[in-house]
Amino acid sequence: EAGVVQSPRYKIIEKKQPVAFWCNPISGHNTLYWYLQNLGQGPELLIRYENEEAVDDSQLPKDRFSAERLKGVDSTLKIQPAELGDSAVYLCASSLNSKNIQYFGAGTRLSVL
Amino acid sequence: GESVGLHLPTLSVQEGDNSIINCAYSNSASDYFIWYKQESGKGPQFIIDIRSNMDKRQGQRVTVLLNKTVKHLSLQIAATQPGDSAVYFCAELSGYSTLTFGKGTMLLVSP
Repeated sequence: EAGVVQSPRYKIIEKKQPVAFWCNPISGHNTLYWYLQNLGQGPELLIRYENEEAVDDSQLPKDRFSAERLKGVDSTLKIQPAELGDSAVYLCASSLNSKNIQYFGAGTRLSVL
Repeated sequence: GESVGLHLPTLSVQEGDNSIINCAYSNSASDYFIWYKQESGKGPQFIIDIRSNMDKRQGQRVTVLLNKTVKHLSLQIAATQPGDSAVYFCAELSGYSTLTFGKGTMLLVSP
């Protein structure tokens, strides 16, 4: 069974440019998460979806970040415009429901120059 | 908040030794705990979990101990191997379904 798939693996952009990340969760997993991970730290939740509904986006900087999961399966996370401080690894995870084990993708490493 | 940066706590062991990684959690209402292993360039990988109605759970070569009185979690790895070298995170899940990760411990295993 395929795990959580993320693309791209790496992205280098100049500040003020837009960027988008894509995630395909494990088949059948209703809950999808986007996390931000800075170097040497644990992941921090940005947004959680239950099917297509964003049920926790309290940590998402809504002035520049947006996300969608239109059909309740795959999801995109967008940053527009990107800032230098956005350089980090963006992780996607999925679980059967919000009380089950979260399985992570390999992440997208973003570098903003 | 304060940035941990690159100053991860590090545990160095010899191959074949037993390793114990500790974690203090913050929320007494947390009822589910997970240990993850993260290798360089990869996402966190599930190792073992435990619910708050238990104080011990064993897997293959790994054991998790939970002490709710002092809000402490530990991961024991038996017969540590070089492939166990990674950063290990504990994570707690509260009723709000938000998984909160600890700061991580780097495990270095020497052959």
